[in-house]
Amino acid sequence: DVKVTQSSRYLVKRTGEKVFLECVQDMDHENMFWYRQDPGLGLRLIYFSYDVKMKEKGDIPEGYSVSREKKERFSLILESASTNQTSMYLCASSFRIGQPNQPQHFGDGTRLSIL
Amino acid sequence: ELKVEQNPLFLSMQEGKNYTIYCNYSTTSDRLYWYRQDPGKSLESLFVLLSNGAVKQEGRLMASLDTKARLSTLHITAAVHDLSATYFCAVDKGAQKLVFGQGTRLTINP
Repeated sequence: DVKVTQSSRYLVKRTGEKVFLECVQDMDHENMFWYRQDPGLGLRLIYFSYDVKMKEKGDIPEGYSVSREKKERFSLILESASTNQTSMYLCASSFRIGQPNQPQHFGDGTRLSIL
Repeated sequence: ELKVEQNPLFLSMQEGKNYTIYCNYSTTSDRLYWYRQDPGKSLESLFVLLSNGAVKQEGRLMASLDTKARLSTLHITAAVHDLSATYFCAVDKGAQKLVFGQGTRLTINP
């Protein structure tokens, strides 16, 4: 089974802090994604990566950056946390673009609160 | 801009009944995914629909895709309590960049 592991289930930080959310997958997937989930809005794509050191902006990248130094690890960075970034953050991974019949596999999520 | 709308957003039904969740999307795509999420849990993949007319079934759930109408349905047959969850559809706008619907919270009462 695919395992996508997010480093924290719950996290509380203060406004202005730099926050790191970590995600590791064990299936040698090329693609990795970061989403945030808010009630009534579904999931929205923040950033994604198709390969090591590659990154692409998703639909809501403002206030975030990412890092992918190793294939299995994808980090989401909140440069200066703000209260409107309080949310559930979900990491996902999948095989390369040429395999659309394979769904994205999700981690358990990190519930982040910014005070 | 691709928009994905699910209907209804909340659904309370009795065990044994049938119902359908609808997923409409605004621009052309022939790749659609259905996921299930239990409270406090991650998203679990249910179906991958890759072409017009695709139909997939698993137990009491059946999903279909009509790319011309830009519509997917998730049909629940003879609902049981274990199917209570939030269901999401997600449309691929290219290169596996998914746009999700708002989610349908399904509650099945004995």
